[in-house]
Amino acid sequence: DGGITQSPKYLFRKEGQNVTLSCEQNLNHDAMYWYRQDPGQGLRLIYYSQIVNDFQKGDIAEGYSVSREKKESFPLTVTSAQKNPTAFYLCASSIGGHVVNEQFFGPGTRLTVL
Amino acid sequence: AQKITQTQPGMFVQEKEAVTLDCTYDTSDPSYGLFWYKQPSSGEMIFLIYQGSYDQQNATEGRYSLNFQKARKSANLVISASQLGDSAMYFCAMRDLNRDDKIIFGKGTRLHILP
Repeated sequence: DGGITQSPKYLFRKEGQNVTLSCEQNLNHDAMYWYRQDPGQGLRLIYYSQIVNDFQKGDIAEGYSVSREKKESFPLTVTSAQKNPTAFYLCASSIGGHVVNEQFFGPGTRLTVL
Repeated sequence: AQKITQTQPGMFVQEKEAVTLDCTYDTSDPSYGLFWYKQPSSGEMIFLIYQGSYDQQNATEGRYSLNFQKARKSANLVISASQLGDSAMYFCAMRDLNRDDKIIFGKGTRLHILP
């Protein structure tokens, strides 16, 4: 089955610690994305990558970092510099390029900072 | 600048009735795509329907149809014969085709289907 996996589903971290959220896809998609969703809100783009070894900041990149060493993987690190990291994090992928295509989403990770 | 506006934070609809979820957008690019996603309480995002700016006909997918009014910059989602399982958050989204792969999302509409 092709799809996007995110792990873990629930994550708890102590204030001041960095934490890495996993995102893997086997759809052979070039583009991958990370979004943050707060309760009752829409999705805000954190980072996106259109190709391996390249990524761009989204609207709320401060306090986050990413890497794209492999086409299938796009991990997100929430650093201690992120002032309010408790949120629902969604990873997505799409074919990419100048082709109209929808984004496919993973099941999400709920991060809670204690 | 690109912008998506969903003016209905919440809606209550009787089961089996049709429902229209509003979406207006703003872009200076003549080539763009419009999407609707459904987010159940589990949190996953489910793609529902897509409309391209040059498509001559309104998109339809089963019980979902997109009422595309280009001059008004409107892309409303119509769900026919609503079911209890349609209760969810619904997001309108847009991508400018001559730019990068970014998609912007509206704030969403929470739909409640009443038995």
